[in-house]
Amino acid sequence: NAGVTQTPKFRVLKTGQSMTLLCAQDMNHEYMYWYRQDPGMGLRLIHYSVGEGTTAKGEVPDGYNVSRLKKQNFLLGLESAAPSQTSVYFCASRDGPREYFGPGTRLTVT
Amino acid sequence: GQQVMQIPQYQHVQEGEDFTTYCNSSTTLSNIQWYKQRPGGHPVFLIQLVKSGEVKKQKRLTFQFGEAKKNSSLHITATQTTDVGTYFCGASTSGTYKYIFGTGTRLKVLA
Repeated sequence: NAGVTQTPKFRVLKTGQSMTLLCAQDMNHEYMYWYRQDPGMGLRLIHYSVGEGTTAKGEVPDGYNVSRLKKQNFLLGLESAAPSQTSVYFCASRDGPREYFGPGTRLTVT
Repeated sequence: GQQVMQIPQYQHVQEGEDFTTYCNSSTTLSNIQWYKQRPGGHPVFLIQLVKSGEVKKQKRLTFQFGEAKKNSSLHITATQTTDVGTYFCGASTSGTYKYIFGTGTRLKVLA
């Protein structure tokens, strides 16, 4: 039982490049979330999903897209990376009140 | 939109001293959760509070939910070096599937 996994762990992008972050959970949870964490800003919700095939916008969705084609996977895409998207990205899945977080992806956009 | 303010932003304490962090919301909450994030790690769930005035304890940690369900606190008695990390509250209002997290309180414990 791996819980919530994220790939990659680290990535450096140039401005304008695109990439996809993958989140996978093996706990059969319906709800999944993508957050970004910046110093002094806490965790801010980017997008979330309440089930396979559904997605919804969070607090800071601009510049990101998501897909939930399979229940266990939640993908976060950056179509044209900007330096403002330099951050640590956490994925989480939820069972009842409890969110289970992945280990995070540290993304730097130069 | 809903906001959750958390204070203080940082706290340095001597080992053995007590520590408290507070979360305040502008709107009534249906429940609140607390998480701990160790340096370089990811947030880990500690507890959920649901009822008005609720108090829960986990060893040296005491969690409270205000009577009006607009604020909450986490108190650590006699801190230890293992308590180092950032403590976040996560709050939700009824009918939503998402949490709004506070900005966190970073605790440093000096041995």
